[in-house]
Amino acid sequence: DAMVIQNPRYQVTQFGKPVTLSCSQTLNHNVMYWYQQKSSQAPKLLFHYYDKDFNNEADTPDNFQSRRPNTSFCFLDIRSPGLGDAAMYLCATSSTGTGGKRAFFGQGTRLTVV
Amino acid sequence: GNSVTQMEGPVTLSEEAFLTINCTYTATGYPSLFWYVQYPGEGLQLLLKATKADDKGSNKGFEATYRKETTSFHLEKGSVQVSDSAVYFCALSDLGNDMRFGAGTRLTVKP
Repeated sequence: DAMVIQNPRYQVTQFGKPVTLSCSQTLNHNVMYWYQQKSSQAPKLLFHYYDKDFNNEADTPDNFQSRRPNTSFCFLDIRSPGLGDAAMYLCATSSTGTGGKRAFFGQGTRLTVV
Repeated sequence: GNSVTQMEGPVTLSEEAFLTINCTYTATGYPSLFWYVQYPGEGLQLLLKATKADDKGSNKGFEATYRKETTSFHLEKGSVQVSDSAVYFCALSDLGNDMRFGAGTRLTVKP
């Protein structure tokens, strides 16, 4: 059974129209991550939550926001998508503790901006 | 800050050839090291990991040894198969709860 679920798998949005991507997990993990992955590139960390504490990467544009209403769900909001925001968005979770924890990834949402 | 450097691809091999994908890292502390694999259109799957110096991670015939003296975590497999064709990412994670990835290496194995 899938443990990190992302919906939808494919999302098409219009230029400038707000869009929300969702992620849910059944692992009860404290940490949830959002990554942006463009074609043939490494996943780039946008931000992560440690429980309710939000940790934004310094170079994440303000256009990207996130919400985590409870342990199981985390949302990525793109307020005004541009053509450059077309990418695969990956959600991941991990448990807390010392180093050695691994991340569990969802299958990703591929965002197309038209 | 922490970072991971991977050998650039793509890598094309014949079936049963030996594989090495180089990975080196920079970290202020003592990170854990990982190799993830990504098949087309999918998310990342953990392939193997090592949590301290001299640990060897292994899975599905792949191996990597955590070398603190050379800050490396090279991925190896003695005999690759067509089904190993994928993109491989080296990654590190420290106490700060973030996970950093290398650029990825695309492997194509031909029959």
